[in-house]
Amino acid sequence: GQQLNQSPQSMFIQEGEDVSMNCTSSSIFNTWLWYKQDPGEGPVLLIALYKAGELTSNGRLTAQFGITRKDSFLNISASIPSDVGIYFCAGQRIDGGTSYGKLTFGQGTILTVHP
Amino acid sequence: DAGVIQSPRHEVTEMGQEVTLRCKPISGHDYLFWYRQTMMRGLELLIYFNNNVPIDDSGMPEDRFSAKMPNASFSTLKIQPSEPRDSAVYFCASSSEVVGPYNEQFFGPGTRLTVL
Repeated sequence: GQQLNQSPQSMFIQEGEDVSMNCTSSSIFNTWLWYKQDPGEGPVLLIALYKAGELTSNGRLTAQFGITRKDSFLNISASIPSDVGIYFCAGQRIDGGTSYGKLTFGQGTILTVHP
Repeated sequence: DAGVIQSPRHEVTEMGQEVTLRCKPISGHDYLFWYRQTMMRGLELLIYFNNNVPIDDSGMPEDRFSAKMPNASFSTLKIQPSEPRDSAVYFCASSSEVVGPYNEQFFGPGTRLTVL
């Protein structure tokens, strides 16, 4: 199925550094979501964006919904060891006539933080 | 507050055997999703249900895969016969009807399937 183009595929950083990852799509989405997956667990929602151009923060996380609605980025500031995991972007459309939005996921960014 | 429950957490089976994965969604949620995660293909939606009815099964790889939701609190994903290329982590997720601008899906811990 269709996937979003997420980059980078992996990152190895030192504790305290900032991290940036992004997603692009050829399709427009109504909503962009960022999930984190810890080892051995399912993805957990970090941030949801639903307005083009919106910039949202959640603690050390900042995410933006691109103006064209075809891209989004996630920044993590002052990384700590527990930030380790896989980060996924996901795009969602709310189809006309229904209230359900199907999620399309990026390939994921594997983040490793060295103490 | 229990989240999405999946069983088993790990399954090792031999090629040709039938495999059944189980999921209990969050109580009150009316959407249920089955995903497969592999290194090569990432997270893929296999099928989803709304009010126990399959809505979109276009992601189901082939006829060897089938999914059922006999009631609001239980779903199964069955692979018969299983093949080594089916080895993956299978996630179940649930959500409720969209009442805001987005539909948050809550994921279970996954079932890691290994087919030898």
